[in-house]
Amino acid sequence: DQQVKQNSPSLSVQEGRISILNCDYTNSMFDYFLWYKKYPAEGPTFLISISSIKDKNEDGRFTVFLNKSAKHLSLHIVPSQPGDSAVYFCAASVSAGGGADGLTFGKGTHLIIQP
Amino acid sequence: KAGVTQTPRYLIKTRGQQVTLSCSPISGHRSVSWYQQTPGQGLQFLFEYFSETQRNKGNFPGRFSGRQFSNSRSEMNVSTLELGDSALYLCASSRDRAGYTFGSGTRLTVV
Repeated sequence: DQQVKQNSPSLSVQEGRISILNCDYTNSMFDYFLWYKKYPAEGPTFLISISSIKDKNEDGRFTVFLNKSAKHLSLHIVPSQPGDSAVYFCAASVSAGGGADGLTFGKGTHLIIQP
Repeated sequence: KAGVTQTPRYLIKTRGQQVTLSCSPISGHRSVSWYQQTPGQGLQFLFEYFSETQRNKGNFPGRFSGRQFSNSRSEMNVSTLELGDSALYLCASSRDRAGYTFGSGTRLTVV
């Protein structure tokens, strides 16, 4: 049973446009959400996080939106740059501390930024 | 500031053997977590250690074990290797469990 789902395995966006990556979750106990970016042969790199007490968190070009009632979060990247091409993972946990089950990850979305 | 260091980067083992992977966390980080990444299952939580104690454990068989030393370095051991254990094993460290920094991983191939 996949508790964190990223339904788009890949996404292609033109350079300079907005990239929107989506993530859905089923466990209503999750209250802390993170986005990671991963290049081949490297470990995931933390991008941005959001607590369930907020519905938006912004950091430079990256904004994460959380819709608790829909159990949905999204990552917006504006403007998209070639270096943003990577696999993006959504992760969730019960409490910011990772909870008893650590971080639960989605299977990732491969973002391709086209020049 | 040095990041999370995992050794070795690549490893090839034979079915039935055992393997030990090592993780050195960022200085000052006392929490170390291990994850397995496979194409089919994605990233899955193995276990977490904090101050030399296993604090949490994912849904993996007992062949997967780990430990943490007083300097926060951690090792993960897999006994009686199976072909399905071929994966990228990632270690992540954290100071306060709110932000996890991952290492580059150890690519284990079981033949």
